[in-house]
Amino acid sequence: DAGVTQSPTHLIKTRGQHVTLRCSPISGHKSVSWYQQVLGQGPQFIFQYYEKEERGRGNFPDRFSARQFPNYSSELNVNALLLGDSALYLCASSALVMANEKLFFGSGTQLSVL
Amino acid sequence: KQEVTQIPAALSVPEGENLVLNCSFTDSAIYNLQWFRQDPGKGLTSLLLIQSSQREQTSGRLNASLDKSSGRSTLYIAASQPGDSATYLCAARGDNFGNEKLTFGTGTRLTIIP
Repeated sequence: DAGVTQSPTHLIKTRGQHVTLRCSPISGHKSVSWYQQVLGQGPQFIFQYYEKEERGRGNFPDRFSARQFPNYSSELNVNALLLGDSALYLCASSALVMANEKLFFGSGTQLSVL
Repeated sequence: KQEVTQIPAALSVPEGENLVLNCSFTDSAIYNLQWFRQDPGKGLTSLLLIQSSQREQTSGRLNASLDKSSGRSTLYIAASQPGDSATYLCAARGDNFGNEKLTFGTGTRLTIIP
């Protein structure tokens, strides 16, 4: 079975540009979450979507937005990129049927902003 | 606001030794506590999930414990191997069923010396 897949794996952008990151959850999983991991730190929660609705939002500026599609895949968009947006962006999925389900993470998209 | 701390930030031990990684959290109102492994530049691999009603979970050479009242969790690794070298992250999930937000610690970078 395919795990959580993210694309692209690496991305280089310049300040002020826009970026779109994509995530496909494990088949049957309806919940997708996004995390930002800056080098040397733990991941920070950005968004969670379930059945195309936002379930949670972390402490990130409005430059960050996301959406979930009918097939449960998701996009994370970041506008007006700053140097500080350079990070590993991780997507996670779960079935969210039971309260104590594990989250399964993808390998991430490494974003470098120059 | 939940805060998760992991000490030490880095640990080196000879192969074959048993070791303990520590995790503390400030808000005891959690659904579960999860331990993850992260290899350099990679995504997260779930190791163990302890529900709030449980005291411990075991998988192979790994054993994780949870003490909600004191806000602590430990990950015990028996008979360490060079392949165990990685960063280990703990994450607390809040007690709102629909919100899967995880709050991560900054991790312990473990090196097993052959």
